[in-house]
Amino acid sequence: EIVLTQTPLSSPVTLGQPASISCRSSQSLLHSDGHTYLSWLQQRPGQPPRVLIYKISNRFSGVPDRFSGSGSGTDFTLKISRVEAEDVGVYYCMQTARFPHTFGQGTKVEI
Amino acid sequence: QVQLVESGGGVVQPGGSLRLSCAASTFLFSTYAMHWVRQAPGKGLEWVAAISHDGGKNYYAQSVKARFTISRDNSRSTLFLQMNNLRAEDSAVYYCTRALDYWGQGALVTVSS
Repeated sequence: EIVLTQTPLSSPVTLGQPASISCRSSQSLLHSDGHTYLSWLQQRPGQPPRVLIYKISNRFSGVPDRFSGSGSGTDFTLKISRVEAEDVGVYYCMQTARFPHTFGQGTKVEI
Repeated sequence: QVQLVESGGGVVQPGGSLRLSCAASTFLFSTYAMHWVRQAPGKGLEWVAAISHDGGKNYYAQSVKARFTISRDNSRSTLFLQMNNLRAEDSAVYYCTRALDYWGQGALVTVSS
């Protein structure tokens, strides 16, 4: 099973300032089809998760451009260029390169 | 907008069974793989099971293998999760997701005596 390790687990942020979350995988997430299946999800309090980023760096429909993803192989990063109040919540990385699919532990972003 | 509506959650005793359903609409259900993901109270996300678009392939987390069965009815655009021999540690909100991109609101399952 692929283990995803997120750091930090808690991230106090200041409105208007950048924030960054790291996700490290125990194995390469490069699929045989040439794509790397690492996604980032946001879960606001009391809400289901929603996808922000897929395949490392592609923003999902409707996601503001202040969110960006980067990385390769086993090391990935989610960046928020300027944190807004609505960004409070828990962020998860997720790998769908291999079964069983797995999630990071989650990073709580709070103002 | 993609709609996924879970139903069938509730309280069940240890060793009991429950069947979750997920009604999908506004997209062509038969062309997408579907997944169940769960979240225990105050905890993180755990992938549970997946089924291919035509139902020909199923995948399970080790923690539920041989107890849970994922299935689908493409004629009714509905996804199912049959859960047998339930344990206290299966208590969670169960989310239905379309290919892990769109997620439903979730169904709460509580296993308690």
